[in-house]
Parts: sequence; structure tokens; C-alpha cells
Amino acid sequence: GAVVSQHPSWVICKSGTSVKIECRSLDFQATTMFWYRQFPKQSLMLMATSNEGSKATYEQGVEKDKFLINHASLTLSTLTVTSAHPEDSSFYICSARDPSGDYEQYFGPGTRLTVT
Amino acid sequence: AQTVTQSQPEMSVQEAETVTLSCTYDTSESNYYLFWYKQPPSRQMILVIRQEAYKQQNATENRFSVNFQKAAKSFSLKISDSQLGDTAMYFCARYNNNDMRFGAGTRLTVKP
Repeated sequence: GAVVSQHPSWVICKSGTSVKIECRSLDFQATTMFWYRQFPKQSLMLMATSNEGSKATYEQGVEKDKFLINHASLTLSTLTVTSAHPEDSSFYICSARDPSGDYEQYFGPGTRLTVT
Repeated sequence: AQTVTQSQPEMSVQEAETVTLSCTYDTSESNYYLFWYKQPPSRQMILVIRQEAYKQQNATENRFSVNFQKAAKSFSLKISDSQLGDTAMYFCARYNNNDMRFGAGTRLTVKP
């Protein structure tokens, strides 16, 4: 099956700093990638849809200036959490859709962000 | 809002027995896809089974099968011969028009 990687798998940063999370599709080209946030014992909440070569589409309530998404190539999307605060601590998961497939999304292993 | 509802926050089953997880959804689209994902403690999302809305036949993958009732917008997952490795969070999801929505999840525990 298709593989999606995320880097880093976990990161600790100080309040006020920015952190970048990478999402890569390893064996297919993904025109669309998705970023989710998951709080402990809760479901995945869609943050934004990332389209290669164009601006991301953010869900209502997600600050686009705080969560910067760049999808510069068909295999890489990045999420940058700017001026991070402790309330941004969460588990972030990306997924990618293989346009040649059957609408299945392939998920990365997730990134645990802790802001101190 | 087009939502996905899982009404069972937690369930348990004895090893080797059968359990059914419930899911209902809301959509105004005629063509969409439904999924069940498993999230073990590693938190890696794993596809369990998928169903295309235009197919009437219920999907089956080994010990996993679904009961898809399109008119009722219901999509339940049946796990037969439950194994200890089935212990995980299970999420129902609906996909259409580049939009994937997840239910709140059901935590399944398989007891030895």
C-alpha cells in the first residue's frame, strides 16, 4: 500500500517559537493532502486541505496565519505552527490522497507537539 | 453540518466472539465513500474496510464486514472471531468532494 511519512514524530518547543512538520507521500504523487489535529481520546479534526500549487483551504475556526501550510510539490506538504503556545500542544496527523486510486486517504504516523 | 455519529464511546468483547460497532452519517450527496479506520495505541491510522455508496453489496475483508443501509444512512462494522490485536479506537468516516469527516470513535477492548 501507499506510504506517507511525517517528520518529526515528536517535537518539544518553547512558547513563542515556530515549528515545522513535514508530510511526504513516498511512492505516489499527492495533489491533495490533509492536516488533522487530534486531542487525547478524541477524534481527528480536519484543520485544512492542502492543494499542490495553490493556497490551502482552512476549516472554520482554524487560524491560517498561525497554521501555515505549504504544498510546494506533489510529494511534500508542510505545516508550520507559528508563535506556538501551550494550547497548540496536540497530535498532528497528515494524510494524502492518491488521485489514481479509489479515494482512500493514506495517513502519516503523526507528530506529537509539546509546547512548554 | 454533515456529520458522522458513533453512539458507542466504549465497547468490549470476549476473544473469539463477534462485536458490532455502529455508525450513522449525514450527507446530501448521492455519491460518497464510507470507511472504518482502526487506531491502535501507536496512533497510526489503519484502514479496516471501505464501502462505495453506489454499491449495494456489503464490503467484507476477512473477519471484518459492514452492514451498509443507504436509506437509513447507517454503516455498522462487524468484527468476527475477535482477537486481542483488535483492541483499538475505531473511527467511522465519510468522504465526498475532497472532504473526509470522522466520527467521535469507539474504543474497543477485546478481553482474553
